[in-house]
Amino acid sequence: AQSVAQPEDQVNVAEGNPLTVKCTYSVSGNPYLFWYVQYPNRGLQFLLKYITGDNLVKGSYGFEAEFNKSQTSFHLKKPSALVSDSALYFCAVRVHSSASKIIFGSGTRLSIRP
Amino acid sequence: EAGVAQSPRYKIIEKRQSVAFWCNPISGHATLYWYQQILGQGPKLLIQFQNNGVVDDSQLPKDRFSAERLKGVDSTLKIQPAKLEDSAVYLCASGRLAAADTQYFGPGTRLTVL
Repeated sequence: AQSVAQPEDQVNVAEGNPLTVKCTYSVSGNPYLFWYVQYPNRGLQFLLKYITGDNLVKGSYGFEAEFNKSQTSFHLKKPSALVSDSALYFCAVRVHSSASKIIFGSGTRLSIRP
Repeated sequence: EAGVAQSPRYKIIEKRQSVAFWCNPISGHATLYWYQQILGQGPKLLIQFQNNGVVDDSQLPKDRFSAERLKGVDSTLKIQPAKLEDSAVYLCASGRLAAADTQYFGPGTRLTVL
């Protein structure tokens, strides 16, 4: 069965410092991996996805994520955090089938202090 | 292009009452998803449509929840009768056919059952 784990409920970072939000996954087969961000009272906004090819994926708002097949991880990173990055971040996984469901992690709240 | 539209944005009902939510996906998107997001958790898929057919409804509580997507465009999700534990945000998302395609989310409907 597919699963996604976000081991940290909350990540606190000072503005200007690099940030990492962790995600590990478990699927049978090759995964598609996604990161979404959710601001208060808003739906989820797409940040980036890994489909195939280059393990380093660049996305919106300066975020990037690295696919690591051996460690089954897809950590979200940003070199320099902004206060406006404070939000709830969700990692998600899907296997290669249009009939498959996308499974979301439980979310990590990112808090950037000025 | 216009995003995914949902209404209402907020709904408060008493237990055992009925409620319906509406979703209008992005034009041309064949797949439509309804998710339930309970506070502090990641979204959980309730039902997935491909055009006007159901692809996955394995996590839909069919004794009280129903959904339809007439003509393969708009969709409605109904709860009848509502329970206290149905209090959550109901998110609609749409996407193209391939599993690698991004899902785009609406703003959600926040349901409170008293």
